[in-house]
Amino acid sequence: DAKTTQPNSMESNEEEPVHLPCNHSTISGTDYIHWYRQLPSQGPEYVIHGLTSNVNNRMASLAIAEDRKSSTLILHRATLRDAAVYYCILQNAGNNRKLIWGLGTSLAVNP
Amino acid sequence: KAGVTQTPRYLIKTRGQQVTLSCSPISGHRSVSWYQQTPGQGLQFLFEYFSETQRNKGNFPGRFSGRQFSNSRSEMNVSTLELGDSALYLCASSALVGSSYNEQFFGPGTRLTVL
Repeated sequence: DAKTTQPNSMESNEEEPVHLPCNHSTISGTDYIHWYRQLPSQGPEYVIHGLTSNVNNRMASLAIAEDRKSSTLILHRATLRDAAVYYCILQNAGNNRKLIWGLGTSLAVNP
Repeated sequence: KAGVTQTPRYLIKTRGQQVTLSCSPISGHRSVSWYQQTPGQGLQFLFEYFSETQRNKGNFPGRFSGRQFSNSRSEMNVSTLELGDSALYLCASSALVGSSYNEQFFGPGTRLTVL
């Protein structure tokens, strides 16, 4: 199973952009890249996902490297409510479809 | 739409006992997945059910089992509890339409403590 590597923790200031990196050097051609986040005392929630092209939604942007061996989640303006653990996850496409979770990056946002 | 609900929210058991956790998915969702979350291991996939059938299984011992009912509600059972089973157990549901990706919606989890 392909794995992801993320920094254990990162820190940001409120209203500044945040770039959360993820390495997935063993990704296969059909694996989707997902990002979820987990706020304190809650279950994880979906942030964004992509396959090959960069993606944008109301929460964040996902930049995927051309060789797909890494990706970056971009929060354009961090707020205190964005303090959470961010997980970069690969999904095996096809019948398996299992999500393979790493340990995530704990993001602290300073006021 | 109501979110994913899990019961109970907190549970304390002793070693050797068994436990059953319940998950009600979002209405219309037919896929239910279970995860174990511990500080050292992060989220680890237990199993996924779709239309009452187990589709995927993680690398957990046979003491961990699950089932899904015709209304898509799911239960997981852990028999002969060990101290290491203390964890947050998360349930997630998704619509699972065709082969396209489906966002997973998580419940708040059940915090199991084994003494």
